[in-house]
Amino acid sequence: EPEVTQTPSHQVTQMGQEVILHCVPISNHLYFYWYRQILGQKVEFLVSFYNNEISEKSEIFDDQFSVERPDGSNFTLKIRSTKLEDSAMYFCASNQGENQPQHFGDGTRLSIL
Amino acid sequence: AQSVTQPDIHITVSEGASLELRCNYSYGATPYLFWYVQSPGQGLQLLLKYFSGDTLVQGIKGFEAEFKRSQSSFNLRKPSVHWSDAAEYFCAVDRFGNEKLTFGTGTRLTIIP
Repeated sequence: EPEVTQTPSHQVTQMGQEVILHCVPISNHLYFYWYRQILGQKVEFLVSFYNNEISEKSEIFDDQFSVERPDGSNFTLKIRSTKLEDSAMYFCASNQGENQPQHFGDGTRLSIL
Repeated sequence: AQSVTQPDIHITVSEGASLELRCNYSYGATPYLFWYVQSPGQGLQLLLKYFSGDTLVQGIKGFEAEFKRSQSSFNLRKPSVHWSDAAEYFCAVDRFGNEKLTFGTGTRLTIIP
């Protein structure tokens, strides 16, 4: 069964550094999402992306965050200048379209030192 | 704003016993409803979904859920749990079938022999 693939599985970065998290959504999916889960807390929506533009973003997704679909397969999340509070598990998800469930990757654990 | 409540933070069940995990949502219309499972260190796996129609939905791994409009609930059930069911379970809603997911805080399930 097709899967959403995320790399790396664990990223350790110094505070203030830029980090890019990578995702390869399922190939025929059209809608892409990023979520995060701070340790011990619930999963929170960050951003959704469709037709090469952001369709919705949360309050968390401020100017330090950006997303990109650089080619036909990858979907990246960039954090420009990381803060300690950015430490979390970041999940990528995708779906085919309306009335279709989102499928999640295994996540990237981001640790900011 | 829509919200999802999972009132049980942690549930312990004996192997072979039945299970019910509670989920209530707060939204004016009937949203699209999902249950996801997260094993330790893993991503979110879709167990089942409710979009419309029959209010009792079947999912993977022997799970089922029942939508009750009058109670704004979507409880997850399994007649006989297995040790491998130990995980975190998240209820989630999507207002229109192609938007962000709003997650509950999760219920951690422990299975005892």
